[in-house]
Amino acid sequence: QSALTQPPSASGSPGQSVTISCTGTSNDVGAYNYVSWYQHHPGKAPKLLIYEVTNRPSGVPDRFSGSKSGNTASLTVSGLQAEDEADYFCGSYAGSNHYVFGAGTKVTVL
Amino acid sequence: EVQLVESGGGLVQPGGSLRLSCAASGFTFSNYWMHWVRQAPGKGLVWVSRLNIDGSTTIYADSVKGRFTISRDNARNTLYLQMNSLRVEDTAVYYCARGNHEAFDLWGQGTLVTVSS
Repeated sequence: QSALTQPPSASGSPGQSVTISCTGTSNDVGAYNYVSWYQHHPGKAPKLLIYEVTNRPSGVPDRFSGSKSGNTASLTVSGLQAEDEADYFCGSYAGSNHYVFGAGTKVTVL
Repeated sequence: EVQLVESGGGLVQPGGSLRLSCAASGFTFSNYWMHWVRQAPGKGLVWVSRLNIDGSTTIYADSVKGRFTISRDNARNTLYLQMNSLRVEDTAVYYCARGNHEAFDLWGQGTLVTVSS
């Protein structure tokens, strides 16, 4: 399985929204509603933000939202805050008990 | 506190072996599938392996199949990754992660494995 495609970087000012795309294939993102998103501050443990395309674990602010259309999933961060500056990874179930991730998007809060 | 703590990383020569451990606490470890995920320097996350709740079913990425072995000790709340025939390209931070809803809902901070002569 190949890695999912994410833009290397994204940015926005405090209070603005930023949307990150995650493009896969009909064998992973397009085949299953098992897309997840993670926030990773370097040196710390990654944190699950979204699972099953749109669901937020308890404790994750509703500023984070997910969606999917065809082979492309998206994460939107609304009302950007300074602490949102981090790397964001998407992941997907890829069938046959395998999983695939994106290469990550570095979000900068201007 | 609900957490995962990895250990066992270090510097090893190509062809060598290393065993990683992941200590779980704060939740019922034996109720969850567990995974190893790695991140090479400057690169993205790559899924490595998955283990079911009783350790009877193992799944590996093609890049590590036949060289790595995932296992668990539910009595000790610990996940393991035995890595043999290590290659330079196995250099990465290795994370253990808890599986849930085909996602990874709890991660450790990772342990660095460097394969170099």
